[in-house]
Amino acid sequence: SSELTQDPAVSVALGQTVRITCQGDSLRSYYASWYQQKPGQAPVLVIYGKNNRPSGIPDRFSGSSSGNTASLTITGAQAEDEADYYCNSRDSSGNHVFGGGTKLTVL
Amino acid sequence: QVQLQESGPGLVKPSQTLSLTCTVSGGSISSGDYYWSWIRQPPGKGLEWIGYIYYSGSTYYNPSLKSRVTISVDTSKNQFSLKLSSVTAADTAVYYCARAHDDYGDFYFDYWGQGTLVTVSS
Repeated sequence: SSELTQDPAVSVALGQTVRITCQGDSLRSYYASWYQQKPGQAPVLVIYGKNNRPSGIPDRFSGSSSGNTASLTITGAQAEDEADYYCNSRDSSGNHVFGGGTKLTVL
Repeated sequence: QVQLQESGPGLVKPSQTLSLTCTVSGGSISSGDYYWSWIRQPPGKGLEWIGYIYYSGSTYYNPSLKSRVTISVDTSKNQFSLKLSSVTAADTAVYYCARAHDDYGDFYFDYWGQGTLVTVSS
């Protein structure tokens, strides 16, 4: 099955921009979806498709994709954005895989 | 507003079968637009997709778990269920049910239950 690779940890200064990346062969064919998870809570969908935000997700969250890499960008990171972020994609067999997750620290 | 709620035993003995149910409210499980999913997260680790079911009964499973997993649906109760057989300590995790949407090729999990911790221990 396919794999998705994320950096384990990323930090950003308050108010600055941060990009979280996800690499995998399946991303050449399918868009990633992105999930935010805070301690003790269920994941929350923040980005799906080419660059779509569910209702209630701030517009500082955006997504992009190039080749085998998908990116989640937070423009003007806030303290409440500190969380774990996971990407997800499917492969040509219909299987789904999550990336290992990136812990975002807002300094 | 769609809501999902997991239920089932929080403790399962090794070699036995883990059984969980997800009750869906605020929407019909028979809607043809969605796949009803199970995802798990071992303590301190990342997310793992287990599988999902379409309201018609078609199922899709993670190849690494396929031999032990059964997902079923009860449209009359608006519920779907997970059975995982021959469990070991490695199956200890928070188990989430979630709704998945296949939106013209864009696939994503848009609603999640709160999760339920299942511990495998004698």
